[in-house]
Amino acid sequence: GQNIDQPTEMTATEGAIVQINCTYQTSGFNGLFWYQQHAGEAPTFLSYNVLDGLEEKGRFSSFLSRSKGYSYLLLKELQMKDSASYLCAVMDSNYQLIWGAGTKLIIKP
Amino acid sequence: IAGITQAPTSQILAAGRRMTLRCTQDMRHNAMYWYRQDLGLGLRLIHYSNTAGTTGKGEVPDGYSVSRANTDDFPLTLASAVPSQTSVYFCASSDRADTGELFFGEGSRLTVL
Repeated sequence: GQNIDQPTEMTATEGAIVQINCTYQTSGFNGLFWYQQHAGEAPTFLSYNVLDGLEEKGRFSSFLSRSKGYSYLLLKELQMKDSASYLCAVMDSNYQLIWGAGTKLIIKP
Repeated sequence: IAGITQAPTSQILAAGRRMTLRCTQDMRHNAMYWYRQDLGLGLRLIHYSNTAGTTGKGEVPDGYSVSRANTDDFPLTLASAVPSQTSVYFCASSDRADTGELFFGEGSRLTVL
């Protein structure tokens, strides 16, 4: 079966750095995606990785290792507004997105 | 309208009733999707449409139907609602079917009693 694993919840301090991990087992691979979802709101696209390595976008970076079936989302200089759930999703060989259950990130002052 | 709009935002429904969730986008995107989101689970695809006039079944299609008569609209119908269909429903769109960059509506919270 296809599976995406990510931690259920993480806590970090304002101004710090946090790394949210995602491991996956899917039928084929056509890219890995990270989304942010604030409570009660819609998911919004954050980043996309299809090749191994690090993609940086401002305070957010996403890393991919296809051989290990592993990705992480790195958030730097955490702000209170970063409190949200972060969803990892993989596009399989049929171009269907397989979603993880999400990681709820709690930021403390 | 800007982006993707869903209606209603919230609804309480008696079991056995028919319900249609509406979704409209103004981005001229080819592909549209319906997901349900339940606590502790990832988003699950109900139905999708790669282009106007075509639809396909996702992971959890039973009890739901869709239509795609034009590019902009993608309604989801529950023919006879059951309590297990209590969920938050998200409509999404993308410019191509082979991209994972989706644009989501604000969601419809449905409670079936």
